[in-house]
Amino acid sequence: KAGVTQTPRYLIKTRGQQVTLSCSPISGHRSVSWYQQTPGQGLQFLFEYFSETQRNKGNFPGRFSGRQFSNSRSEMNVSTLELGDSALYLCASSLVGNEQFFGPGTRLTVL
Amino acid sequence: SQKIEQNSEALNIQEGKTATLTCNYTNYSPAYLQWYRQDPGRGPVFLLLIRENEKEKRKERLKVTFDTTLKQSLFHITASQPADSATYLCALYTGGFKTIFGAGTRLFVKA
Repeated sequence: KAGVTQTPRYLIKTRGQQVTLSCSPISGHRSVSWYQQTPGQGLQFLFEYFSETQRNKGNFPGRFSGRQFSNSRSEMNVSTLELGDSALYLCASSLVGNEQFFGPGTRLTVL
Repeated sequence: SQKIEQNSEALNIQEGKTATLTCNYTNYSPAYLQWYRQDPGRGPVFLLLIRENEKEKRKERLKVTFDTTLKQSLFHITASQPADSATYLCALYTGGFKTIFGAGTRLFVKA
């Protein structure tokens, strides 16, 4: 069974731009969660989707948004990028909401 | 305020010894607690889950304990090997489809 895939793996953007990251969960998994990981803050929860519905959202500004498609694939978007948005963005899928399977992450650098 | 605390300092142990990692939390009532392993540049990998009504869980060389009175979980790796060197994350699920992660503890096992 293929694991969670994330694209792109690396991304360099400049301040003020926007970015869209993609996540394909494990086949059959309908729950997708997104996390931001930085050296100082660790893994911070962004949001969770299930069957195209956002069920919870972390404490991030409205510049961070996401969506999930009918095939469970998910995207997250960050608008008006700031230097502090540089991080590893991780997506995780799960079958019943407990054990999470993580993708390799997208490393975003904002210059 | 709600906090999850893991040893911020790295843990250095000799091969063959038992590594013990600590996860303390405040102002949470987790339904279950999980431990993940993360290698540099990669997404976390699920190791063990323990529920609030369980005291101990084992899997091969791994053992997790969960004390909801002390609000603490201990993670043990017995007969440690250099390949066990990684960052170990504890994660709490408190409901609402949201998992909160600790900052992680780096473990170095010397041959």
